[in-house]
Amino acid sequence: QKEVEQDPGPLSVPEGAIVSLNCTYSNSAFQYFMWYRQYSRKGPELLMYTYSSGNKEDGRFTAQVDKSSKYISLFIRDSQPSDSATYLCAMSTGDMRFGAGTRLTVKP
Amino acid sequence: DGGITQSPKYLFRKEGQNVTLSCEQNLNHDAMYWYRQDPGQGLRLIYYSQIVNDFQKGDIAEGYSVSREKKESFPLTVTSAQKNPTAFYLCASGTQGVGSSGYTFGSGTRLTVV
Repeated sequence: QKEVEQDPGPLSVPEGAIVSLNCTYSNSAFQYFMWYRQYSRKGPELLMYTYSSGNKEDGRFTAQVDKSSKYISLFIRDSQPSDSATYLCAMSTGDMRFGAGTRLTVKP
Repeated sequence: DGGITQSPKYLFRKEGQNVTLSCEQNLNHDAMYWYRQDPGQGLRLIYYSQIVNDFQKGDIAEGYSVSREKKESFPLTVTSAQKNPTAFYLCASGTQGVGSSGYTFGSGTRLTVV
């Protein structure tokens, strides 16, 4: 079993839809949780960062962490074609682990 | 502007050749990392360095070597011992206490064996 599991998709939605991206993990020691966005042929960029459990909102993006279920989510409201990218979850306790990434396409 | 610069963007390697990928950062970060990205496998850690003149093997270090002679620079050499080097290579940097702020990534180098 991988430490971090992420459905690779691909996921295709119409413009304006709410997108839900998820990861599960097995290491209960993880304290820091991140989401990165990676456009094609580019390096990942940090999108959201959360410490421990709870929600964090930034514009159209909301990150949720449920440590009791070992489950994290990223919600994108009013999705736009410019949101089309691969989204990687990551988590750390001093040693960063990444999910495989979910490829998202938002169609106009 | 602060950031990480990787070069070259594309690199072609012949069988039996060693090649070196460059990574330079001006963020004053202590820690630097090299990852390999293959389709469907996410990011796999090759090597990392938390301080000048010191580095540690990651999960897939075989066939790779690094040096950290300057804080700003962390070059990766893909040696002929790496049998399947075709991949997208990403360099990253971060502050100590690694989980505290996430990583900054470069734009990557795509290496292809010809």
